[in-house]
Amino acid sequence: NAGVIQTPRHKVTGKGQEATLWCEPISGHSAVFWYRQTIVQGLEFLTYFRNQAPIDDSGMPKERFSAQMPNQSHSTLKIQSTQPQDSAVYLCASSQESQNTLYFGAGTRLSVL
Amino acid sequence: QEKVQQSPESLIVPEGAMSSLNCTFSNSASQSIWWYQQHPGKGPEALISIFSNGNKKEGRLTVYLNRASLHVSLHIRDSQPSDSAVYLCAVRRTGGYKVVFGSGTRLLVSP
Repeated sequence: NAGVIQTPRHKVTGKGQEATLWCEPISGHSAVFWYRQTIVQGLEFLTYFRNQAPIDDSGMPKERFSAQMPNQSHSTLKIQSTQPQDSAVYLCASSQESQNTLYFGAGTRLSVL
Repeated sequence: QEKVQQSPESLIVPEGAMSSLNCTFSNSASQSIWWYQQHPGKGPEALISIFSNGNKKEGRLTVYLNRASLHVSLHIRDSQPSDSAVYLCAVRRTGGYKVVFGSGTRLLVSP
């Protein structure tokens, strides 16, 4: 079991460009979460899918962030018109059921110049 | 909104000593509590969880939960330099799915 796989590990974008982050959850896990981690804010919840259905996106900045899970093997987080304040480590996690332990990927470090 | 606070922010202990980390949460309905360990450049990894009042021991780790005081602590016996990492306290409400994390304690174990 390779664990949760996130690609790319690092992404650098210019201000105003689009960034797409990829996550492959652990096979058989029904719950997928996206978090954002910064020094100032720590780990912040962004969005949650259960059995591929979007359940809660309350942590997502509404205008420029979107997340999808087109099949059980991957989820994407898309940030349009990236801004310097979007610079952070974006972490994807999966769990067998919604109430179980989260297993995190290594994260994607996004740098917006 | 659940609030999770950790103390101290950073901790330095000599090799072989006991490391003690603290976490308080804001809601007694937070039934599920985890401690995660995060090394630089890696994602958080679950170390130990506790779901009922009292204590739980796994290897060198012991966790104590006191719901009345909304407090949970993690103790690492015989700390090793490889234990140096950031430790995150995480809580989830009964029946909920969202896990809320504290800001972390940075532990440094000096050889």
